[in-house]
Amino acid sequence: EIVLTQSPGTLSLSPGERATLSCRASQSISSTYLAWYQQKPGQAPRLLIYGASSRATGIPDRFSGSGSGTDFTLTISRLEPEDFAVYHCQQYGSSPPTFGQGTKLEIK
Amino acid sequence: QVQLVQSGAEVKEPGSSVKLSCKASGDTFSRYVISWVRQAPGQGLEWMGGIIPLFGVSKYAEKFQDRVTFTADESIKTAYMELSSLTSEDTAVYYCAQEPRYLARTWFDPWGQGTLVTVSS
Repeated sequence: EIVLTQSPGTLSLSPGERATLSCRASQSISSTYLAWYQQKPGQAPRLLIYGASSRATGIPDRFSGSGSGTDFTLTISRLEPEDFAVYHCQQYGSSPPTFGQGTKLEIK
Repeated sequence: QVQLVQSGAEVKEPGSSVKLSCKASGDTFSRYVISWVRQAPGQGLEWMGGIIPLFGVSKYAEKFQDRVTFTADESIKTAYMELSSLTSEDTAVYYCAQEPRYLARTWFDPWGQGTLVTVSS
């Protein structure tokens, strides 16, 4: 199965700053079949990005995804207070679908 | 917009089984896979498998295939996941989530609110 490694484990930033989260795959992911989710404490994950770069319905344009092959990035251009959460990447290009271990974005 | 509502929290003894439900609203229940993903305390997300209600066909993560059963009742738009031979390592929040494309590789959206299963003697 494809192993996804997210970095950093924890990212400490201030509102208004730019956040860059990384997701690296153990082997190439076909056709950019990669998604990003946001999860807040006590809540279910929420889809942000699919197809590596397509924003889900209702997701603000400060969230963007990029990458291909084995290296993918989620960028939040200007952090809002509500953006501090855990972010998960997930590949669905091969079975089984797998998730990264998550990056916690915390307020500095 | 599809919504998924899951059953309430469960406390189970080691060696027993648990059956969770996931009720859908909207018109896409039958055609799209309902998957189950679990999250142990402080851990990441782990896909367990799922079912496409229209065909009653399931797919499984290798880790769980011997002790998990997925079923669905189209008449009430509800999917079920039964996990047997529970141990403390099965203590987790269990989510159902829809794969929103017909017979295709897709992401998970939407998600249910999650059901906490605690395994303890």
